Amino acid sequence: GAGVSQTPSNKVTEKGKYVELRCDPISGHTALYWYRQSLGQGPEFLIYFQGTGAADDSGLPNDRFFAVRPEGSVSTLKIQRTERGDSAVYLCASSLRGGSQPQHFGDGTRLSIL
Amino acid sequence: GENVEQHPSTLSVQEGDSAVIKCTYSDSASNYFPWYKQELGKRPQLIIDIRSNVGEKKDQRIAVTLNKTAKHFSLHITETQPEDSAVYFCAATGGTSYGKLTFGQGTILTVHP
Repeated sequence: GAGVSQTPSNKVTEKGKYVELRCDPISGHTALYWYRQSLGQGPEFLIYFQGTGAADDSGLPNDRFFAVRPEGSVSTLKIQRTERGDSAVYLCASSLRGGSQPQHFGDGTRLSIL
Repeated sequence: GENVEQHPSTLSVQEGDSAVIKCTYSDSASNYFPWYKQELGKRPQLIIDIRSNVGEKKDQRIAVTLNKTAKHFSLHITETQPEDSAVYFCAATGGTSYGKLTFGQGTILTVHP
């Protein structure tokens, strides 16, 4: 596609449930990033993939959060036992290569935990 | 790790005036500094970026300057228009961060017609 695509655009679920958020990067981009943005704040880094492997997962807040990118393209962010504090916009970005390269963002998934 | 501070948090200007937003960073190894514009409910949009081997970069009404010694960089918007109204974020990466962007807190820019 022309840009980074994220689905769903909105997700509302109850505390304790499991959620999956999907990101489809720009075709040919080898690097993929997940960020989380709370209201009134800048995006905060979660995890960075170079190809299929997680090159840096230092931003994942705890072991309830996990992400995969099995074929080096689409990525899924998985959150187990959701908590109200997980509510935020989850943004995905991709770049042609890793490192100091322009990152292009998707529209995000707005996650609301009731 | 990297820390980025951004000022001011809000900025209000009249149409046609200039706007300046400033950021400082902490990691001297950082070498890439993008600026993003985010309209309400929309994605962050890359508007300009600068690398550490360059002191200034300009793209039409937008320019960015970088002072590596002082570890600060600034966004300059000239001849502002109402459609420039948005939240602007600076970011930094490089060195041990390698691709992981650290963002500033954002500046809400309002351009009054």
